[in-house]
Amino acid sequence: AAGVIQSPRHLIKEKRETATLKCYPIPRHDTVYWYQQGPGQDPQFLISFYEKMQSDKGSIPDRFSAQQFSDYHSELNMSSLELGDSALYFCASSSGTGVSPLHFGNGTRLTVT
Amino acid sequence: AQSVAQPEDQVNVAEGNPLTVKCTYSVSGNPYLFWYVQYPNRGLQFLLKYITGDNLVKGSYGFEAEFNKSQTSFHLKKPSALVSDSALYFCAVRDDNTGKLIFGQGTTLQVKP
Repeated sequence: AAGVIQSPRHLIKEKRETATLKCYPIPRHDTVYWYQQGPGQDPQFLISFYEKMQSDKGSIPDRFSAQQFSDYHSELNMSSLELGDSALYFCASSSGTGVSPLHFGNGTRLTVT
Repeated sequence: AQSVAQPEDQVNVAEGNPLTVKCTYSVSGNPYLFWYVQYPNRGLQFLLKYITGDNLVKGSYGFEAEFNKSQTSFHLKKPSALVSDSALYFCAVRDDNTGKLIFGQGTTLQVKP
C-alpha cells in the first residue's frame, strides 16, 4: 500500500540558510500534519492542513511556514535556520480529522551546522 | 487540555515473557487513544487505537491494549515479547476538533534474548 512520502530524507544546512521539506500524503488523504522530533523527545505538533486550509497551529516558529497544494502535497519552509532546528521532521496524513489513525512518513532529518 | 503520560522511560523484559507499557490519559470528552511504535531513524508506525466499544483492543504484531476508564489508563500489552519488539513506543491522544495527535514522552522497550 502507498505510504506517506517525505523528501529529502536527509538535509544539511548552515545557520541562517533556508530549507524546504516536502510531503506527499497517502492518496485520498485530505489532511496533513507536520511534527518536529528532537533527539530523545516525543514528536511536537507544528501545523496541520485540511483540504488545503490551515486547520491547526502548534509550536511552529514564525520563521517557518507551510502550505498544502491543490494535489494535497505539503511543503514546510524554514528560514533563518538555527542550530536548535536540527531535528527529525515528520509529516503525517489522514482521511479527515475524525477517528482514523495518522499515517507517518519516514521523516526528514535536518542538521543545521 | 488533552494529554497522555507514560510514566516509564524504559521497560526491560526477557524474550518470551509478557510485556506491559503504561499510559495514562487526561481528556475532556471522549478519549481517542492510539499507540505507535518507532524504530531508529524511522517514522511512527500505527499499532492500535481505542475509539469506543470493547475495552480490549487488538492491534498489529500481536499487541493489544486495555482501556480502563476508572483508572484513565490505556496500557499496551503483549503476551510473549520478541527481541524484534525492541523499539520506542508512544501513546497518543487525538484532538477531536483538529485531529492532531498529542504524544506521551515515549517508552523504550528493550527485549533481551
